[in-house]
Amino acid sequence: GESVGLHLPTLSVQEGDNSIINCAYSNSASDYFIWYKQESGKGPQFIIDIRSNMDKRQGQRVTVLLNKTVKHLSLQIAATQPGDSAVYFCAENIKGGSEKLVFGKGTKLTVNP
Amino acid sequence: GAVVSQHPSWVICKSGTSVKIECRSLDFQATTMFWYRQFPKQSLMLMATSNEGSKATYEQGVEKDKFLINHASLTLSTLTVTSAHPEDSSFYICSAGGPSTDTQYFGPGTRLTVL
Repeated sequence: GESVGLHLPTLSVQEGDNSIINCAYSNSASDYFIWYKQESGKGPQFIIDIRSNMDKRQGQRVTVLLNKTVKHLSLQIAATQPGDSAVYFCAENIKGGSEKLVFGKGTKLTVNP
Repeated sequence: GAVVSQHPSWVICKSGTSVKIECRSLDFQATTMFWYRQFPKQSLMLMATSNEGSKATYEQGVEKDKFLINHASLTLSTLTVTSAHPEDSSFYICSAGGPSTDTQYFGPGTRLTVL
């Protein structure tokens, strides 16, 4: 079977550049999406969320884009800093379900000074 | 706001012993808490959903008699790994969802090592 997670997707950027992390979600019934940042040895930290009635939402230095047609979610980080280095997970929630989140595989972002 | 704590942050135990992990929502009431397990370089895998005052709902493949969950109050859920074995060694993370939000806020995790 597939070795899920043994080869975590990676993204390496230079400090100051913009980063784009992509995620394909699985369920067309999902109506709420969250991006989390996880540093080594720590729990996931909430970054930004978006509901299915929106296609874009902006936060501080971060933007989430949602394309429901192709079930694609992206996280854009502006002016990436070394402190942004972490693993980023997208998560989807299905309305009317048990409120549980389904997590993507994660992308490891490395910011080079 | 939305701070979740876990205790202990790490624990080492001998095979065959039981270990209890606590998850607390510090500044909000959590009607639902979730327990996840994470292996190195992998994503979070949901183990169970814990609702205050009722039995936990376990995901397929998770042994409810091995991973005992108690959610006795709106601010505390506990996970007990019974008769732990080396294969139970992992990073266990809890999260809490409030009554008015779909967002889950995560604790810092507990590193369990079973010798």
